[in-house]
Amino acid sequence: SYVLTQPPSVSLAPGKTATITCEGNNLLSKSVHWYQRKPGQAPVLVIHNDSDRPSGIPERISGSNSGNTATLTITRVEVGDEADYFCQVWDSSSDHRVFGGGTKLTVL
Amino acid sequence: EVQLVESGGGLMQPGGSLRLSCAASGISVSNNHMSWVRQAPGKGLEWVSVIYMSGGTSYADSVKGRFTISRDNSKNTLFLEMKNLRVEDTAVYYCARVGGGVIPTISDGFDIWGQGTMVTVSS
Repeated sequence: SYVLTQPPSVSLAPGKTATITCEGNNLLSKSVHWYQRKPGQAPVLVIHNDSDRPSGIPERISGSNSGNTATLTITRVEVGDEADYFCQVWDSSSDHRVFGGGTKLTVL
Repeated sequence: EVQLVESGGGLMQPGGSLRLSCAASGISVSNNHMSWVRQAPGKGLEWVSVIYMSGGTSYADSVKGRFTISRDNSKNTLFLEMKNLRVEDTAVYYCARVGGGVIPTISDGFDIWGQGTMVTVSS
């Protein structure tokens, strides 16, 4: 089965740029989606199809996909950005949706 | 307003059965690809199942043969029938729409989520 690998945690100071990676075999051939999940809340789609921002998502949040790694970038991080972030793809060979293990973003 | 509202969660013993419901408003479950996603306590998100506009279905290996996804178009409601429940099925279960693009595409992410319903399997 297809596997997506994320770092467990990322910590940085307010105002800095956070980069969260998502690795998978031949990931560039797939559409990568990113979700933000805060405690007690449902996940929110923040990046769609590698780099598209849904309505209402700030421009500080962006995504890219290259080779075997997709990246979620959050510039000028704020305390309000603290959350778990998950990448996700559709694996056409199995017709399964796959999530990465998630990355906890801490803004110190 | 687009809204998905799950219900039916609760405390069950191992081996038991439960049916979750997801009432949709503002969207049609029959005209969208709809899915169930769960999150176990302290764990990440896990995709469970999908039902396509065509009626076709797909399941995660962990639930295949035990869970059944379905929909009632007249009630605009999505269901997840869960049988032979295991302790490891304990999780918050979310229904979600597969979408995000201008036209629903099978590779889309999940753009609309419900608030979730808790299922606890314990003896």
